[in-house]
Amino acid sequence: KQEVTQIPAALSVPEGENLVLNCSFTDSAIYNLQWFRQDPGKGLTSLLLIQSSQREQTSGRLNASLDKSSGRSTLYIAASQPGDSATYLCAVRVPNFGNEKLTFGTGTRLTIIP
Amino acid sequence: ETGVTQTPRHLVMGMTNKKSLKCEQHLGHNAMYWYKQSAKKPLELMFVYNFKEQTENNSVPSRFSPECPNSSHLFLHLHTLQPEDSALYLCASSHGYEQYFGPGTRLTVT
Repeated sequence: KQEVTQIPAALSVPEGENLVLNCSFTDSAIYNLQWFRQDPGKGLTSLLLIQSSQREQTSGRLNASLDKSSGRSTLYIAASQPGDSATYLCAVRVPNFGNEKLTFGTGTRLTIIP
Repeated sequence: ETGVTQTPRHLVMGMTNKKSLKCEQHLGHNAMYWYKQSAKKPLELMFVYNFKEQTENNSVPSRFSPECPNSSHLFLHLHTLQPEDSALYLCASSHGYEQYFGPGTRLTVT
């Protein structure tokens, strides 16, 4: 059974710093990995999606990497801003009896200190 | 705005009540999903519909009853819920790899 772990559960950093969020998964048989952002009491916003054949994806100040063989992904945020404060979730898309499903981690709650 | 709307945004109900959650997507997607998000637990997939047909029921108790009348609308009918069912219920839709999520309904069962 696929399990997704995100450590740490919470992280606080001063504004302007670069930071890395970590995601690990137990089964490397994934189709892709997706990073989401969730603001308090809100739904999820997709940030980056990496296909299993890719090593990284970039969008603005965000860069996500994927090492499928070791079961790890990182989300790098450059020059952090207070508006980046949110919970960041990673999810892997896995085979599921002929269908596909997303398996989520529990998230890292990020606070950027002005 | 992701193009997926959910109503109501907040709901408080007693254990003997019957209520329904509604999800609507304006993206032309063919698949729709219900997820449950409880505190300090990963999102749990509840139901999946593809072209109005239910393709997954992730061992969800029968007190949760989904309905998908067309590809744009998804309902979750609730009856005789338990306090542990209190959570954020998220709807999503997709056409291909990427899922788009609604803002969720915060449900409290008293």
